[in-house]
Amino acid sequence: DAGVIQSPRHEVTEMGQEVTLRCKPISGHNSLFWYRQTMMRGLELLIYFNNNVPIDDSGMPEDRFSAKMPNASFSTLKIQPSEPRDSAVYFCASSSGTHYGYTFGSGTRLTVV
Amino acid sequence: GQQLNQSPQSMFIQEGEDVSMNCTSSSIFNTWLWYKQDPGEGPVLLIALYKAGELTSNGRLTAQFGITRKDSFLNISASIPSDVGIYFCAAPAQGGSEKLVFGKGTKLTVNP
Repeated sequence: DAGVIQSPRHEVTEMGQEVTLRCKPISGHNSLFWYRQTMMRGLELLIYFNNNVPIDDSGMPEDRFSAKMPNASFSTLKIQPSEPRDSAVYFCASSSGTHYGYTFGSGTRLTVV
Repeated sequence: GQQLNQSPQSMFIQEGEDVSMNCTSSSIFNTWLWYKQDPGEGPVLLIALYKAGELTSNGRLTAQFGITRKDSFLNISASIPSDVGIYFCAAPAQGGSEKLVFGKGTKLTVNP
């Protein structure tokens, strides 16, 4: 089992550019979560999907953020346009829905300059 | 909203020492989870607790589900350098969804 795979590991982009983060969940897990981690705010849930359907996007900061899950093995988080305050580590996690055992990916460290 | 308060925020200890940290909330939970985050990696689940008063061990780690259901404790015995990292408590958000709320973490540094 390769675990949750995120790409890229690091992304540096200029303010105003579009950024797309990618995630491949563990096969068989039916829930997928996108989290953002900063020093100030810790781990924040942005959005989560169950069976590829967005269930709760109340944590998405604003309209510049969007997430999709076109199939059970792939999800994207897009920021357009990006701003310096979006700089953070973005984690994807997946779960089989039992006992809340999330498995996290290694994260994407985003720097917007 | 629900908040989990972890303490201490950071700890600096010598190798071989025991460590204690805790997580409290004003809300009642039916599940408590403890995660560890190594530098540059995502959090990894260490221990899950599902019953008030429950005491569960995972190697040198022991966690307890407080009897009030508003707190949980994590102890590490005989610390080693690879225990370095950030330890997070987490609990399910209200509403019966799969959402987890995380504490801000306790950063542990172990000096050899």
